[in-house]
Amino acid sequence: AQSVTQLGSHVSVSEGALVLLRCNYSSSVPPYLFWYVQYPNQGLQLLLKYTSAATLVKGINGFEAEFKKSETSFHLTKPSAHMSDAAEYFCAVSESGGGADGLTFGKGTHLIIQP
Amino acid sequence: KAGVTQTPRYLIKTRGQQVTLSCSPISGHRSVSWYQQTPGQGLQFLFEYFSETQRNKGNFPGRFSGRQFSNSRSEMNVSTLELGDSALYLCASSLVQSDNEQFFGPGTRLTVL
Repeated sequence: AQSVTQLGSHVSVSEGALVLLRCNYSSSVPPYLFWYVQYPNQGLQLLLKYTSAATLVKGINGFEAEFKKSETSFHLTKPSAHMSDAAEYFCAVSESGGGADGLTFGKGTHLIIQP
Repeated sequence: KAGVTQTPRYLIKTRGQQVTLSCSPISGHRSVSWYQQTPGQGLQFLFEYFSETQRNKGNFPGRFSGRQFSNSRSEMNVSTLELGDSALYLCASSLVQSDNEQFFGPGTRLTVL
C-alpha cells in the first residue's frame, strides 16, 4: 500500500524567502509523484510531476522538487516566495501514474506568506 | 480547450436523501476519477471510470456509486446521505496513458443537514 506524509500542516515564510514543503512517501514499486496546489474554492492544479525521467523536476510558477529515493522524499521548493503562492499544497503518489489506481494524497500543507 | 466542469457547484441536502453529481471531462479524455475532500480525512479516492467501466474503487461504502456514459461524462450518486458525507467532491479527467496528468474540476460542495 502506498502512503504520503507531509510534514507540517502549516508553513509560514516571509515574502522573498525560500519555500520548502516536505513530502515523504512509501510505495512498493517505483512511484509516480505529484505536487498539486489548491486555491480557496477551487480544484487542484498540477505544479509538477516525477515520472522517473529526471530526479530534479521543474514545475510551474518557479517551483521545483527533487526525488530522493534513498530518503523516500519529494520535497517542494521555491527560491523566493510571492504573496500569490499562499495556498494549500498537496503531495500525491500513484503506482500507475494515471487514473486507474487513483492518487493517494498527503494531508496537505497550508502555505502562509508574510509581507 | 474547456476544462473539467462539475455541476452543480453547491448543493444542500438533508439526511436520508440521495444526490447525483455530474462531471464533464476535458474533450478527448476518457478516464474520469472522483475524490472526496473533507477537513478530517483529506483527499480520498472514490472510484475511476474508463470506457463506461469502473476500473478501481476506493474504500467507501456501497452508498457511493457512479457511472460513465459513452461520451465520457460521469455521474456519481450518494444514497441515504449522512452528515459525514458533507464534503467537496472533486472530479478529475486524464488521458489513458499511465503518466498523464489528472486535470481537476472546481468541485461540488455538498452540505448535508
